[in-house]
Amino acid sequence: KAGVTQTPRYLIKTRGQQVTLSCSPISGHRSVSWYQQTPGQGLQFLFEYFSETQRNKGNFPGRFSGRQFSNSRSEMNVSTLELGDSALYLCASNAQASANTGELFFGEGSRLTVL
Amino acid sequence: GESVGLHLPTLSVQEGDNSIINCAYSNSASDYFIWYKQESGKGPQFIIDIRSNMDKRQGQRVTVLLNKTVKHLSLQIAATQPGDSAVYFCADHSGGGADGLTFGKGTHLIIQP
Repeated sequence: KAGVTQTPRYLIKTRGQQVTLSCSPISGHRSVSWYQQTPGQGLQFLFEYFSETQRNKGNFPGRFSGRQFSNSRSEMNVSTLELGDSALYLCASNAQASANTGELFFGEGSRLTVL
Repeated sequence: GESVGLHLPTLSVQEGDNSIINCAYSNSASDYFIWYKQESGKGPQFIIDIRSNMDKRQGQRVTVLLNKTVKHLSLQIAATQPGDSAVYFCADHSGGGADGLTFGKGTHLIIQP
């Protein structure tokens, strides 16, 4: 069974640009979560989607947004990029219907560098 | 705000010894705890979880202990191997579910030959 797939793996953008990251969850998983990982702040929760609905949201500005499609694939978008947005963006899928149970399966992440 | 934290950023152990990685949490509403392992260049990988109605859970070579009185969580790895070298994160989830998992900063486990 294929794991969580994230694209692109690496990308470089400049300040003010926007970026879209994609995540394909494990087949059959309907919950997709996004996390930002930086050396200073560690892993921080961005948002979680289940059946195309945003179910939970972390404490990030409105420049960070996401969506989920009917096939459970998810995208996240960051607009008006800032230097501090440079990070590893991790997507995780969950087989459980409840947001607070079960094992999260993480992808290998999309490493964003903002210049 | 309340968060999950780890006591040590780095832990060095001899191959074959047992490793103990500690984590303190402050959210008394936390009811679910997970340990993840992250190897260089990879995403976090689930190791073991425990619910607040338990104080111990064992897996293959790993044991998680939960002390709710002092809000302390630990991961014990038996007979540490070179492949155990990674950054280990504890994470918790409160019953409200609004914030996803809260991760600690991580402990880098270094295995010495």
